[in-house]
Amino acid sequence: LAKTTQPISMDSYEGQEVNITCSHNNIATNDYITWYQQFPSQGPRFIIQGYKTKVTNEVASLFIPADRKSSTLSLPRVSLSDTAVYYCLVGAPGANNLFFGTGTRLTVIP
Amino acid sequence: GAVVSQHPSWVICKSGTSVKIECRSLDFQATTMFWYRQFPKQSLMLMATSNEGSKATYEQGVEKDKFLINHASLTLSTLTVTSAHPEDSSFYICSARTTGGYYNEQFFGPGTRLTVL
Repeated sequence: LAKTTQPISMDSYEGQEVNITCSHNNIATNDYITWYQQFPSQGPRFIIQGYKTKVTNEVASLFIPADRKSSTLSLPRVSLSDTAVYYCLVGAPGANNLFFGTGTRLTVIP
Repeated sequence: GAVVSQHPSWVICKSGTSVKIECRSLDFQATTMFWYRQFPKQSLMLMATSNEGSKATYEQGVEKDKFLINHASLTLSTLTVTSAHPEDSSFYICSARTTGGYYNEQFFGPGTRLTVL
């Protein structure tokens, strides 16, 4: 299992774009990169997943460089409701033991 | 979207008693369900993986006799914390995986907060 490293915390003002980077130097060829969001006292929620280059959905974008040793979750124009912990996970399809690292605690400031 | 429920959402019990937590996939069949534990300000830690109709696979360090997991149907898994002690107080979260969707996408329940007095 590829371990991940993320910043422990980040602060951002409302309306700004936030980029959270995750390092996964030992990512395997068949590993996918998945990001989850967790609010206090709730279960995590899937945000986005990618394998390479760029993926975009209605809530975020995921940038993955060619070497895939890192990835960046981009949240456009954050609001107070985006305050949460964001987890980066790496694993092969069908992997059971997803490893939730420390996550990044994002605080959006008014 | 796929919805997973947990019951109860919170429970307080006395030391030495057993507590059962239910995890249900409401609108899909889950061949695999997972149980996590999360202490305050910490990350989720996988406790066990359960497959319908078979024994659960426990992560290293998790006592299978203390945390009994039953996955009797494709929509229900239960976690029983036997002889609970204060150190078992935690936030327990289940998740379920479908056969479709994104790879490794797990749908998480809202969690159950267990407090052992």
